[in-house]
Amino acid sequence: QVQLQQPGSVLVRPGASVKLSCKASGYTFTSSWMHWAKQRPGQGLEWIGEIHPNSGNTNYNEKFKGKATLTVDTSSSTAYVDLSSLTSEDSAVYYCARYGLLGLDYWGQGTTLTVSS
Amino acid sequence: DVQMIQSPSSLSASLGDIVTMTCQASQGTSINLNWFQQKPGKAPKLLIYGASNLEDGVPSRFSGSRYGTDFTLTISSLEDEDMATYFCLQHSYLPLTFGAGTKLELK
Repeated sequence: QVQLQQPGSVLVRPGASVKLSCKASGYTFTSSWMHWAKQRPGQGLEWIGEIHPNSGNTNYNEKFKGKATLTVDTSSSTAYVDLSSLTSEDSAVYYCARYGLLGLDYWGQGTTLTVSS
Repeated sequence: DVQMIQSPSSLSASLGDIVTMTCQASQGTSINLNWFQQKPGKAPKLLIYGASNLEDGVPSRFSGSRYGTDFTLTISSLEDEDMATYFCLQHSYLPLTFGAGTKLELK
């Protein structure tokens, strides 16, 4: 079955960068766009962007350009989001989700990113 | 960007009630819409695709409908396990945009 595995939590210092991972299994990784979304405590979801693992093509929400960079490693079926110059505003849960025929059909459990000194 | 205006933000209902929530798209003539259920600390779960189609394994008490740019999620007979936050997603236009969510609680 389709699974997207994400680490549970990460703690980083303000000003640093972090690379969050999403390991896919149960389907052909290179056949589906992978999306990323951000959810701050008590708030709705924000779409960060998408990447196609086969081509490496990406599309970003303008709001996250300069903040987030999406990449993939097809050899390990893993997608990544790189977040730079971290501040407290970046503290959130970050989800990866597969875009299937029906929309965002499978989601990872999310990684809780805490930016704190 | 297409804004998805979701209402109400919270809803209190009793077991067995019929519950409805809506998402209104700010623009767009052909919105493709998903509805999701999210419980605290858990990943969103797809309930509805194509505005009105039930995902496999989702109980038939859930249904979705569309009227123009207005989308409705209905739970026909509320059960305890339905207490959660529900949100919509339009995935026709970039950037994808989510509704702010409806938190469903037991009265």
